[in-house]
Amino acid sequence: DAGVIQSPRHEVTEMGQEVTLRCKPISGHNSLFWYRQTMMRGLELLIYFNNNVPIDDSGMPEDRFSAKMPNASFSTLKIQPSEPRDSAVYFCASSSQAATDTQYFGPGTRLTVL
Amino acid sequence: RKEVEQDPGPFNVPEGATVAFNCTYSNSASQSFFWYRQDCRKEPKLLMSVYSSGNEDGRFTAQLNRASQYISLLIRDSKLSDSATYLCVVNRYNQGGKLIFGQGTELSVKP
Repeated sequence: DAGVIQSPRHEVTEMGQEVTLRCKPISGHNSLFWYRQTMMRGLELLIYFNNNVPIDDSGMPEDRFSAKMPNASFSTLKIQPSEPRDSAVYFCASSSQAATDTQYFGPGTRLTVL
Repeated sequence: RKEVEQDPGPFNVPEGATVAFNCTYSNSASQSFFWYRQDCRKEPKLLMSVYSSGNEDGRFTAQLNRASQYISLLIRDSKLSDSATYLCVVNRYNQGGKLIFGQGTELSVKP
């Protein structure tokens, strides 16, 4: 079975540009999570969806960040405009039941904002 | 104070050694507990869940002490392939299963 798929794997962009990260969860999973990992702050939950509906976006750092899940097999995380402090690895994870089941992580997108 | 705290290490141990990692959590509403493993430049992967009765998976033993809000992971007969960062994770069902990750403990097993 395919795991969580993320694209792109690496992204280098200039400050002020829009960045869109993409995620395809494991088929049949109904919960999807976006995380950010940095050396300073570790792994932080940004937002999660249950049945395509955003449930908790309290981790989204500011209005420059937005996330959508238009259907059960696709989600995007957008940063507009990007800033150097957004440089991090962004992981998407999915699970079959948000509250109790194991979360499976994608390989991550390594974002560098110059 | 971070909600989940771990010793960041690094722990440098020889092959065959026994190594123990500790973790404390501050929110008593935490309801389930895990150890995840993260290899360098890779995604985190579930290593094992942690139960109050303690649980073992081969060379790995996890313990939970709810009264002290303390979680541990013991690795026996460590292998070179055990080198990774070990993340202590708590889950709060009353927040829809939000996972809170510790900063991770880095382990390096040397020949």
